Amino acid sequence: GQQLNQSPQSMFIQEGEDVSMNCTSSSIFNTWLWYKQEPGEGPVLLIALYKAGELTSNGRLTAQFGITRKDSFLNISASIPSDVGIYFCAGLILTGKLIFGQGTTLQVKP
Amino acid sequence: GAGVSQSPRYKVAKRGQDVALRCDPISGHVSLFWYQQALGQGPEFLTYFQNEAQLDKSGLPSDRFFAERPEGSVSTLKIQRTQQEDSAVYLCASSLRGFKRSGRAEGELFFGEGSRLTVL
Repeated sequence: GQQLNQSPQSMFIQEGEDVSMNCTSSSIFNTWLWYKQEPGEGPVLLIALYKAGELTSNGRLTAQFGITRKDSFLNISASIPSDVGIYFCAGLILTGKLIFGQGTTLQVKP
Repeated sequence: GAGVSQSPRYKVAKRGQDVALRCDPISGHVSLFWYQQALGQGPEFLTYFQNEAQLDKSGLPSDRFFAERPEGSVSTLKIQRTQQEDSAVYLCASSLRGFKRSGRAEGELFFGEGSRLTVL
């Protein structure tokens, strides 16, 4: 079946540093989404990407939809302690089903 | 409330018991999804409703899992004869639009906080 490979699995960084994580797939997706999940909460949508090559920003977050439609990356600039959480990439298929990556756990040291 | 609401937030069941998990989607949202999230993993799709119609139940792991949305709003996920491997967080999500099998897939899915099921 369709699978997303997300890396790195975890990151431990200093406050103020930039962060980059990415997601690859063996299948093509027409929509890529990035979610953040905090303990005890459901995933919250950060950025949605709808076109191959699209680069979209949301505050300190920037995400790109790869040209091949098989990959995406998320960058967080100037990290702050509240960025802590698990970041998931997800590919959306036509029936509305989301295929999630395994997640990247981000820890930020003040 | 404004968001997706799930209950109970926590459920402990003895192996073999039946459980029912409830989801109140955002008012007016057409699509409703159930996902299962094991510890340390990403959510995995269980089933999808468009209004009251269950259009996709390919992710339900066994016939012990049953979901319904009889009036196209509130949904219930029922797990019969629970097993330890059913222990997970069950997430409900809703979306304003329906999803067609053709055309472009767009739309935000809004997730609830989840129901954490522990089977002893």
